[in-house]
This record gives sequence, C-alpha cells and structure tokens, in this order.
Amino acid sequence: NAGVTQTPKFRVLKTGQSMTLLCAQDMNHEYMYWYRQDPGMGLRLIHYSVGEGTTAKGEVPDGYNVSRLKKQNFLLGLESAAPSQTSVYFCASSPLTWTHQTVDTQYFGPGTRLTVL
Amino acid sequence: KQEVTQIPAALSVPEGENLVLNCSFTDSAIYNLQWFRQDPGKGLTSLLLIQSSQREQTSGRLNASLDKSSGRSTLYIAASQPGDSATYLCAVRPLPGSARQLTFGSGTQLTVLP
Repeated sequence: NAGVTQTPKFRVLKTGQSMTLLCAQDMNHEYMYWYRQDPGMGLRLIHYSVGEGTTAKGEVPDGYNVSRLKKQNFLLGLESAAPSQTSVYFCASSPLTWTHQTVDTQYFGPGTRLTVL
Repeated sequence: KQEVTQIPAALSVPEGENLVLNCSFTDSAIYNLQWFRQDPGKGLTSLLLIQSSQREQTSGRLNASLDKSSGRSTLYIAASQPGDSATYLCAVRPLPGSARQLTFGSGTQLTVLP
C-alpha cells in the first residue's frame, strides 16, 4: 500500500513549455485534489475531483487543466508554463463523502517541486 | 470568503517546554477543523480533526481545541521534543453543500531546540 504517489519529484521548465504531473493513489478513494504551496502561504486548491470522470475548479484553476480518467489517477497539466507557476504541487486523496463524514481527512503525496524559468 | 490565519509564523522553543499554536478563521460556518504536520520536503500528515460540534480532541501529547463562535483553534503540544520540529498547518472545511473545499492557513514553523 503505497498511499499517494506523485511523479515527478522535481522538474525545471522553460516558459511556454508544457508538462503533466501524475498523481496515483491505491486506497480506492473517491476524492482527489491538486494543491499548490507557495512560500508564506497555505495550500491553495487548484482543481479537485469527486469521482472518476469528474473534475471541478478550486481556488486557483487558471493555467491548469486536469483529468480523472481512472479512479486511481489524477493528472494535472500545464499547457504553457509561466514563472508564476513555480511552486510545490501536492496531490491528496480522501474517502470523504458529504453524507458519511465519520472520518474526514486527506492523504497527501510527497509533492512535486516545479521551477519555471 | 473564508480566511485562515496562523500566528506566529515561526516559533523556537527549548526542549521540554509546553507550547500553543494558534489558528483563527473568519467564517464560523465550518464543518470541521484539522491540524496537519508538514516535515521539510514532505507532504502533510493529519494530526487531529475536530468536528464543529466538538470542543477539543487529544492525541498523545497533542491537544486541539475549537471555539467556533470566536473563530479560533489552538494546538497545544506538551513536553516538546526536537522531533516535533516541523510546520503545523490548520485547515477548515465548510458546511456541506458549499462548493468550497478545505481552506488552509499558512502554517507555523516550529523548531524545538535540544
């Protein structure tokens, strides 16, 4: 049981390049999330998914796209990277449902450190 | 819009000291509040979760309290150890039916000196 894994761990891009970050979870969780963390700021939600085939915008979705084609995977794409997207990206998953909230916690991956030059 | 603030941003204490970390939020219509720990270069680990109907939760040397009406939570760490050094974040979840998800504070970086 690996929990939540993220690929890659580090990446350096040039402005305008594209890339995809992969998040995988083996806990059969319905919910998955992508956050970014910047110095001096808390985690901000980019996009999330409440189940396979669904995605929704979070607090800071501009410049990112996501896909949840399989329940265990959640992909975050940057079509044209900008220096403002330099950040640490965290993926999380949760078994949470609104009507069965006896346990409500998110399990986080180790993060991907992205630098856009 | 919910805003979560954590003060202080950084704290350094000698080993063995009891300490309190603070978290405040602007919208009291929350479902629950969580405290997380983040080690350098790592993801977040959930420490304690307090439902809005609860006043506190305890786990070992950690005790978290919640005063929803005043928009405040505290994390109390007893007999601090160097292994407690990490960044501690709090996060609030809105009531069901809201499109919003967790809102995080910016964290308190704790250093426990041996």
